[in-house]
Amino acid sequence: KQEVTQIPAALSVPEGENLVLNCSFTDSAIYNLQWFRQDPGKGLTSLLLIQSSQREQTSGRLNASLDKSSGRSTLYIAASQPGDSATYLCAVNNQAGTALIFGKGTTLSVSS
Amino acid sequence: NAGVTQTPKFRVLKTGQSMTLLCAQDMNHEYMYWYRQDPGMGLRLIHYSVGEGTTAKGEVPDGYNVSRLKKQNFLLGLESAAPSQTSVYFCASSFGPNLGNEQFFGPGTRLTVL
Repeated sequence: KQEVTQIPAALSVPEGENLVLNCSFTDSAIYNLQWFRQDPGKGLTSLLLIQSSQREQTSGRLNASLDKSSGRSTLYIAASQPGDSATYLCAVNNQAGTALIFGKGTTLSVSS
Repeated sequence: NAGVTQTPKFRVLKTGQSMTLLCAQDMNHEYMYWYRQDPGMGLRLIHYSVGEGTTAKGEVPDGYNVSRLKKQNFLLGLESAAPSQTSVYFCASSFGPNLGNEQFFGPGTRLTVL
């Protein structure tokens, strides 16, 4: 059974720092991997989608990498800002594309 | 373009009552999903649909029923609500595996069962 783990569970950094969020999964037979952002009491916003054949995706200050063989993905946030404070969720899609398996998230706090 | 919308946003039920949550999407997506989010458990898939008229069970389907009579709508029903169904429910949709399968989420429905 696929399991997704995110470390650390919580992270506090000062504004301007570059940071890395980690995601690991137990079954490398995935269709894709998606990173989301969730603000308190809100829905999920898709940040980046990496297909299984890709190694990384970039959007603005965000860069996500995927290493299927080792079952790992990282989300790199450059020059963090207080507005980046949120919970970041990693999810892997099974090969049929019918289910996202989520990690429990990393709650990020960026102080000014 | 509203994306994925959910109705209602909040609801309080008594044990044994029934209700239906409505999800609508205007992106012409084939696939639709219902998840629940609980503290310490993360998001878990309840049911999903790969097209109009189809439904399938996810990880935690017990106590829920779904219907997809129209492509743009996906309904989640609770026939006899239980306190264990207190949760935040999210609907999502996607084009499906042939087109990348990026999932887009609605704002959620916060349900409390007393």
